[in-house]
Amino acid sequence: EAGVAQSPRYKIIEKRQSVAFWCNPISGHATLYWYQQILGQGPKLLIQFQNNGVVDDSQLPKDRFSAERLKGVDSTLKIQPAKLEDSAVYLCASTPVRGHRENNNEQFFGPGTRLTVL
Amino acid sequence: AQKVTQAQTEISVVEKEDVTLDCVYETRDTTYYLFWYKQPPSGELVFLIRRNSFDEQNEISGRYSWNFQKSTSSFNFTITASQVVDSAVYFCALSGSGDDKIIFGKGTRLHILP
Repeated sequence: EAGVAQSPRYKIIEKRQSVAFWCNPISGHATLYWYQQILGQGPKLLIQFQNNGVVDDSQLPKDRFSAERLKGVDSTLKIQPAKLEDSAVYLCASTPVRGHRENNNEQFFGPGTRLTVL
Repeated sequence: AQKVTQAQTEISVVEKEDVTLDCVYETRDTTYYLFWYKQPPSGELVFLIRRNSFDEQNEISGRYSWNFQKSTSSFNFTITASQVVDSAVYFCALSGSGDDKIIFGKGTRLHILP
């Protein structure tokens, strides 16, 4: 079974530029998560989708970050404009059904996209 | 507020030694879940264990074991007879009732020296 795919793996941009990340979850997984992991810290949830609807985006900086999952499959996360403090690894994860509370779901993580903002 | 504290930032042990990673959590929820994840150099997070707040039984899986103590709000992780492949960053995490949000600790970087 293919895992969670993310691209690009690395991205370097200058501040005030825009950037987009792509995630393709495991086939059939209904729930998709985007996390931000700043160096030396644990991942922080940015947004959670259930199919193509947003379940939780309370920690997404909506003035500059946006995310979509139009067809309930793959997803894109965009930052516009980027700031220096956005330098981090952006992780995508998915679970088969809603969240981790049902059926002992575990979140399967992708390899992440490492963003450097200069 | 929910919080996970991993006081050990970095640990180095020689291969075959046992090592324990500490995790202390804070939550006001009566129902909650605790996790451990491993993050190898490749970057993806690998799920190791999930434990709900009503199950205080300790768990052993091969060389890995977990000690959950509600009285001290701790969920410690022990690797027995460590191997070089165990070198990674290990995260303890907590999820409270009501939503699926998982709060991660800052992680412990474990170096297993040959």
